[in-house]
Order: sequence, then C-alpha cells, then structure tokens
Amino acid sequence: ELKVEQNPLFLSMQEGKNYTIYCNYSTTSDRLYWYRQDPGKSLESLFVLLSNGAVKQEGRLMASLDTKARLSTLHITAAVHDLSATYFCAGGSASNTGKLIFGQGTTLQVKP
Amino acid sequence: DAGITQSPRHKVTETGTPVTLRCHQTENHRYMYWYRQDPGHGLRLIHYSYGVKDTDKGEVSDGYSVSRSKTEDFLLTLESATSSQTSVYFCAISGTEVLSLHFGNGTRLTVT
Repeated sequence: ELKVEQNPLFLSMQEGKNYTIYCNYSTTSDRLYWYRQDPGKSLESLFVLLSNGAVKQEGRLMASLDTKARLSTLHITAAVHDLSATYFCAGGSASNTGKLIFGQGTTLQVKP
Repeated sequence: DAGITQSPRHKVTETGTPVTLRCHQTENHRYMYWYRQDPGHGLRLIHYSYGVKDTDKGEVSDGYSVSRSKTEDFLLTLESATSSQTSVYFCAISGTEVLSLHFGNGTRLTVT
C-alpha cells in the first residue's frame, strides 16, 4: 500500500530565502503530484511529474522527481509572502485505477 | 474551473443520523474521488470511482458508502454519522490519464 510522507510539516521562512519541501513515498509510484491549498479554500494543482528525473518550474516553485530514491522535492526560490499556503504531494499509478494518496501537507509561512 | 459542484457546502447533523453528500461534475470525467481533510492528516481517500457503478475503497472507508449511478454524480453516504466523521469533505474528478485532480470547494460537516 502506497504511503506518502512530507517534511517538514511546518515551515516558517523569511522573504527572499530558499527552501525545499521533501516528499517520500513507500512503493513504486508512476507519477507524483503537487498541490497548493490556501486557508479555507480548495486545492489547486501545481505540477504533475510523470517520469524519473522530471523537473517542472512555475515562477518561484520548482518540482523534481527521483523515482529510484522514491523522492520528490518542491524547491522555493526567493520566497515571497504570496507563497504562504499549505502544499501537498500525492502519489499514484496510472495502472491503479487512478487512486491517489496524499501526504500530510506542509504549511509554509513566509514572513516579511 | 473544472465543472465540479459539491452540495451541501455546510451541514450540521446529529450523531446516528444518515447523511448524504453529493458531488456533481459537468466534465464527463471518468474518475471521481471522495477525500476527507483533517488537521494533521492531510487528505485521506475514502472511496473512489473509475466508472459508472465501479467503485473501490480508499484508506478510510469504514462507516462510508458511495454510489455512482451516472457519470456526473458521485454520492457519499454516512450510514450513521459519528463525531469522528466531523471533517471537511472534498470531491475530486480526473480524466482517464489522471494528469491532475480537480477539486470541488468542499463540504464542512459537523456531527454533534
């Protein structure tokens, strides 16, 4: 059974700093997803990583996937306050009828 | 926004009563999911569907049942609500490739 773990669970950082959120998963997963959630809101899709070595970037966020290490990272470059949110990773398999398992989430707080 | 609507948005009910939450989509997507979100647990999969009348259990299915009699509707039923089922429930949909999940706005359920 796939298990997905994120760390850290809470991250407080200063504007302008860089940091990385880690997502480890327990068994083979075809693909890895990243989502953002603002307080009281729904989840917004950020990235889907489909193969080993995949890297995707959008603005100050960059996600990568290492299937051999069963690890995905979400790197934040020069954080700004607008990036404050909770970030979730999720693992799944196209062969497993679309079932997706989420990590616990990482709450990011960016301070001025 | 992907065409996905959850109803009701908020509900308060008493322990022991049955409750049904509805998820309606206009995207003709194959996959539909029910997740619950609780502090410290992230999103946990309750049940999901990979087609009309095709459903399967997720991580936390005890006390819940689902039905999907047509492509656009996925119902989640709490047979006899308990206080431990107080949570925010999210429905999500995805196309066959599962390149991304699109989430509804959530239903906040309180069981007193």
